Amino acid sequence: EIVLTQSPATLSLSPGERATLSCRASQRVVNYIAWYQQKAGQAPRLLIYDSSNRATGIPARFSGSGFGTDFTLTISSLEPEDFAVYYCQQRSNWPLTFGGGTKVEIK
Amino acid sequence: EVQLLESGGGLVQPGGSLRLSCAASGFTFDTYALIWVRQAPGKGLEWVSAISVSGVSTNYADSVKGRFTIFRDNSKNTLYLQMNSLRAEDTAIYYCARDGYHIWSFDYWGQGTLVTVSS
Repeated sequence: EIVLTQSPATLSLSPGERATLSCRASQRVVNYIAWYQQKAGQAPRLLIYDSSNRATGIPARFSGSGFGTDFTLTISSLEPEDFAVYYCQQRSNWPLTFGGGTKVEIK
Repeated sequence: EVQLLESGGGLVQPGGSLRLSCAASGFTFDTYALIWVRQAPGKGLEWVSAISVSGVSTNYADSVKGRFTIFRDNSKNTLYLQMNSLRAEDTAIYYCARDGYHIWSFDYWGQGTLVTVSS
């Protein structure tokens, strides 16, 4: 099973700041990483698929990068609605796995 | 508008059974693979099971293999999860989701249904 380790667990930032979230895979996953945003009491929302492709309707301030084992989700300038928990997910091997999440909170 | 609506959750005793349903609308159901994902209270996301477009191919997390069965009825635009031999650790919100890009990344999710396993 591929383990995804997200860091940091919590990121405390102010609106307008840049957020950089990390996802590290226990083995190479090519670029088969997706990123999701989840707000309290809501279902997850797909942001990025295959490392760097924004899903339909996702604002340009969200970007993804990475290949192999190390991946990054960047939010260029935090909006109030961006404070949430973010998960990465790999599709390289079964079972599909998710990272433990990074909470982006208001500082 | 794409919609996924789960139902069937509730309180069940350990060892009991439950069948979840996910009714889909707003898209051509029989052209998308689907999954179930769960989230225990206060915890992260855990993939549970996946099913191909035709329903012939399925996959399960080790934690539910042999106890849960995923299936779909393309004539009814509905996905199911039959859960048997339920354990306390199966307590979670269960979400269904669509593989919108046909690459096992999930672009639409239901609102979830809560399953509580307790005596």
